[in-house]
Amino acid sequence: GENVEQHPSTLSVQEGDSAVIKCTYSDSASNYFPWYKQELGKRPQLIIDIRSNVGEKKDQRIAVTLNKTAKHFSLHITETQPEDSAVYFCAASKGSGGYQKVTFGTGTKLQVIP
Amino acid sequence: NAGVTQTPKFQVLKTGQSMTLQCAQDMNHNSMYWYRQDPGMGLRLIYYSASEGTTDKGEVPNGYNVSRLNKREFSLRLESAAPSQTSVYFCASTTGGETQYFGPGTRLLVL
Repeated sequence: GENVEQHPSTLSVQEGDSAVIKCTYSDSASNYFPWYKQELGKRPQLIIDIRSNVGEKKDQRIAVTLNKTAKHFSLHITETQPEDSAVYFCAASKGSGGYQKVTFGTGTKLQVIP
Repeated sequence: NAGVTQTPKFQVLKTGQSMTLQCAQDMNHNSMYWYRQDPGMGLRLIYYSASEGTTDKGEVPNGYNVSRLNKREFSLRLESAAPSQTSVYFCASTTGGETQYFGPGTRLLVL
């Protein structure tokens, strides 16, 4: 089955700096890569996603890049703010008969220091 | 439009007791999922239901059963709770597409 590895497990940055979280996956059939943000005590929520036919996607201060050949994808947050502090999960997903099989990484706890 | 709702929010059980976690969605989604979240282990799939009337095992199904009651509701049952089942449980749904919409979670403590 799919295996998703996520690094680092914790990350501390100064406010205004950039943060990068990296994930690798094992199943070349995976074709959808979402990123979820989970604030303390809350539910995970989608912040950005990328499909396998796209190499990069950007939404304001966040961007995701995908290297299909190397089977890795990354989340980039620029100009970090205290409200970016949360746990971030990457995931790799593939479709099968109308059902999307999703495998999550183990999460990165991001702390933005004011 | 409430999205995905879960009950209860928090539950304490003694070893061997049983309980059912309830999940409902009002987004007309076909697929529903149950995950457990443990520190350092991310979200692990317990069971899923690709469509009404079908259920399948995920990564960690042992000790759990599920019922897809109708298109809206997907319940998770612990027949004989064990301390290893102490966790936060999330229900999620999708429309067969990719984005998963999560419920608020149920915190379960098994003593």
